[in-house]
Order: sequence, then C-alpha cells, then structure tokens
Amino acid sequence: DGGITQSPKYLFRKEGQNVTLSCEQNLNHDAMYWYRQDPGQGLRLIYYSQIVNDFQKGDIAEGYSVSREKKESFPLTVTSAQKNPTAFYLCASSIEGLAREQFFGPGTRLTVL
Amino acid sequence: QKEVEQDPGPLSVPEGAIVSLNCTYSNSAFQYFMWYRQYSRKGPELLMYTYSSGNKEDGRFTAQVDKSSKYISLFIRDSQPSDSATYLCAKAHNAGGTSYGKLTFGQGTILTVHP
Repeated sequence: DGGITQSPKYLFRKEGQNVTLSCEQNLNHDAMYWYRQDPGQGLRLIYYSQIVNDFQKGDIAEGYSVSREKKESFPLTVTSAQKNPTAFYLCASSIEGLAREQFFGPGTRLTVL
Repeated sequence: QKEVEQDPGPLSVPEGAIVSLNCTYSNSAFQYFMWYRQYSRKGPELLMYTYSSGNKEDGRFTAQVDKSSKYISLFIRDSQPSDSATYLCAKAHNAGGTSYGKLTFGQGTILTVHP
C-alpha cells in the first residue's frame, strides 16, 4: 500500500536533547512538508522540500533542521534551541506543483519532559 | 490578521442535521481552498478543494467559496456520528493551475454528531 509513515508514534525526551523524527513515503512524490500542530492553532509549516537536496524554511523553522538526501525520506530534527518543542508533528507529501493535494502521515506526538 | 480564520467551536449537532463550517481569508490573490478532516490523534485527510470561486459537491459534502465576502464554507448533509472530527480549512497559492509551497491552515473546528 502506498502512503506516508512516521515513527515513532509517541516520543519522550528530556529537555536539552536533540531528537529526530522520521518520515518516509512510497508515493513517489517530489514534495514533502513538516507541520507542527498545537491545540487551537491549526497546522503551522516548519520546513518543506520540493526536490532532493533542497528545502525551504516555513513559518516556524527556528529550532528545527531537516535534510532531504533521498526522495522518499524527509527527517526532522528538533534541536535544543526549540523553546517549546512539545507538540504533534505531521509530515506530508504531494506531487510537485500540486501542494493543494497533500497527503499526511499519522503524526508523531513529542513530549519534552 | 491571520490569513485564514476559523471558529474552533466546538460544534455539536444531532444525527441527520445539516452542518455548516466556515472560514474567512484575508488575501485576495487567486487561490485554491481545501477542506481537511482530522480524526482524533490522526493525520488530516483531504476532503475536497475548490478554486477561488464557486461550489463543488462530493456526496454529502459541498464546498463553497464566496469571493466577495472572502468566505469559504463546507456543508455536510445528513450528518453521521462518523463525521465527528476536526475540520480544517486551508488555502494554497495558485500559479497557473499549479500550487506550490505551503498550505495556510485555519485553527480547525471540532464537530461532534451525536446519535
């Protein structure tokens, strides 16, 4: 089955630690995205990538980093510089030029203790 | 002012009711407007999208855009308990029929349809 997988589903980390969230897709999509969702705030874009080895900052990129070494993979690192990292993180992908039709993964809930 | 504003609700209706979910937007550029449904602790799924103006119907769901008032709406007919979810409106910039870059989301409206 084609789709997007995110792992793990739940993640707990101590304050000050970096943590990497995984996102893999087998839809053959060129574009991939990372969003953060907080209660009552909808989804906010962290980073997006339209092609391998290229990515752009979204609205809230501070404290996050990404890489895009393979078409199917777009990992997100939450660094210790992110002041409020506890949130629900969603990865999405789309055909290039069709950002209006994004497919989302199941999400990773990160809790920083 | 946020680019997309959405009343978070919550909205509670009886089974069979017609549900109206609404968003307002502030940018007048040619755009696509989307509605996503998100069940609790899951990723959003795309329900439908429309271009800058007009209606689109898909089964019990109708999406509507009113350019003059900058209002986008989703109507659900014959609502079912399985429709209980958070509904997110979003917009994407249109460039000659394609859409690049980010989606801008509203805050989401929590809908409960009770039997």
